[in-house]
Amino acid sequence: DQQVKQNSPSLSVQEGRISILNCDYTNSMFDYFLWYKKYPAEGPTFLISISSIKDKNEDGRFTVFLNKSAKHLSLHIVPSQPGDSAVYFCAASPQTGANNLFFGTGTRLTVIP
Amino acid sequence: EAGVAQSPRYKIIEKRQSVAFWCNPISGHATLYWYQQILGQGPKLLIQFQNNGVVDDSQLPKDRFSAERLKGVDSTLKIQPAKLEDSAVYLCASRVRNQPYNEQFFGPGTRLTVL
Repeated sequence: DQQVKQNSPSLSVQEGRISILNCDYTNSMFDYFLWYKKYPAEGPTFLISISSIKDKNEDGRFTVFLNKSAKHLSLHIVPSQPGDSAVYFCAASPQTGANNLFFGTGTRLTVIP
Repeated sequence: EAGVAQSPRYKIIEKRQSVAFWCNPISGHATLYWYQQILGQGPKLLIQFQNNGVVDDSQLPKDRFSAERLKGVDSTLKIQPAKLEDSAVYLCASRVRNQPYNEQFFGPGTRLTVL
């Protein structure tokens, strides 16, 4: 049962334009959400996070939006750069119990120069 | 600050053989995780340690997988005997115990191929 879903396996964007990556979740107990970025042959690297008490968090070119009623979050990258080309994973955690992370299947972003 | 170290980076074995992976977390990180990432999927938690104690191993196939963290630092994950479906990248991650948000730091992973 996939509790975190990323329905777009891939996304291509022109350099300088906005990249929007989407993520949906089903478990209402999730209250902390993270985005990880992964390059080939490397482990995932933390990018940005958001708590369920917020609806937006911004860090430089990266902004994450959370819509709790829709159980949906998105990552915006503006402007997109070729170095942003990677696989992006959405992850969610309940702040109870072992606080484990549940990952989506990832979206491969390609930024075209 | 040194990151999470894992070895080996790649391993090829035949089915029914045994294999072991090693992880050295970031210094001072009390919590350690092992994940399995099958091609085309996101990482799936296998086991979580807090110091040398197991917090959650509900997703670990205990008939063939085992893990230990004897001194609360390094950890090993073993598969015995391996099956074809165990082919995956095995990721180790760690975090500071008292960190308020669950940011985990990942190692580069071990890519296992079972033939």
